[in-house]
Amino acid sequence: NAGVTQTPKFRILKIGQSMTLQCTQDMNHNYMYWYRQDPGMGLKLIYYSVGAGITDKGEVPNGYNVSRSTTEDFPLRLELAAPSQTSVYFCASSYGDTRGYTFGSGTRLTVV
Amino acid sequence: GQQVMQIPQYQHVQEGEDFTTYCNSSTTLSNIQWYKQRPGGHPVFLIQLVKSGEVKKQKRLTFQFGEAKKNSSLHITATQTTDVGTYFCAGLRIAGNMLTFGGGTRLMVKP
Repeated sequence: NAGVTQTPKFRILKIGQSMTLQCTQDMNHNYMYWYRQDPGMGLKLIYYSVGAGITDKGEVPNGYNVSRSTTEDFPLRLELAAPSQTSVYFCASSYGDTRGYTFGSGTRLTVV
Repeated sequence: GQQVMQIPQYQHVQEGEDFTTYCNSSTTLSNIQWYKQRPGGHPVFLIQLVKSGEVKKQKRLTFQFGEAKKNSSLHITATQTTDVGTYFCAGLRIAGNMLTFGGGTRLMVKP
C-alpha cells in the first residue's frame, strides 16, 4: 500500500501560469480532500469529494478547481496562479466515517 | 461556521517537562481527532475520541474529550526530543462529513 501519493513534491510557477497537482490513493477511500497550509499556520480546506463524480467547495476554493472521475484520483487545478497561492498543498483521504485521515506528503508550491 | 481554536500557539519546554495543548470548538462535536506534524512533514493521525468525557492514552500521551463534547486536550508527560512537531486537533461536526482543523500548537523541546 502506497497510501496517498502526491506529485510533484516541489514546483515554482510564474504568475498567470496554470498547473495540476496530482493526488492518488490506493486504499479505496471514498472521501478525498485538498488542504493548503501557509507557513506556520493550520490547514484550510480547499475542496473535498465524497465519491467519484461528486465534489464540493471547502473554506478557500477561489482560484482552484477539482474533478473526481475515479475513486483513486483527485487532481487539483490552479488556473492563473497568483503569489497568494504560494503554500504547501496536502491531499488526504478517508473512509468518511469516524476514522482518521491519511495525508500525502505534500506539494510545496511557490508562485513568483 | 464552525471554529476550532487551539492554545497555546507555541510552547518551548525543557526535555523531561510536561506539555499540554487545549482545543475548543464553537459547536458540539461528533468526535475529535488529533494529528502530529513533524517539521517539514505531513499530518499523521494519532487518535480519535468519540464519547463524552473519554480519556485515551498512548504511552506518554493522554487525550481527553470534554463532557460537553466541545473541548479536548492532549497532555504529554516527560517530553522527549522526538515529541517535537505541531499538534493539531480536528473536530467533526454532528451530521458533518469533514473535519475542521485547529490552528495547531507547535512544540519545541530543548535537550
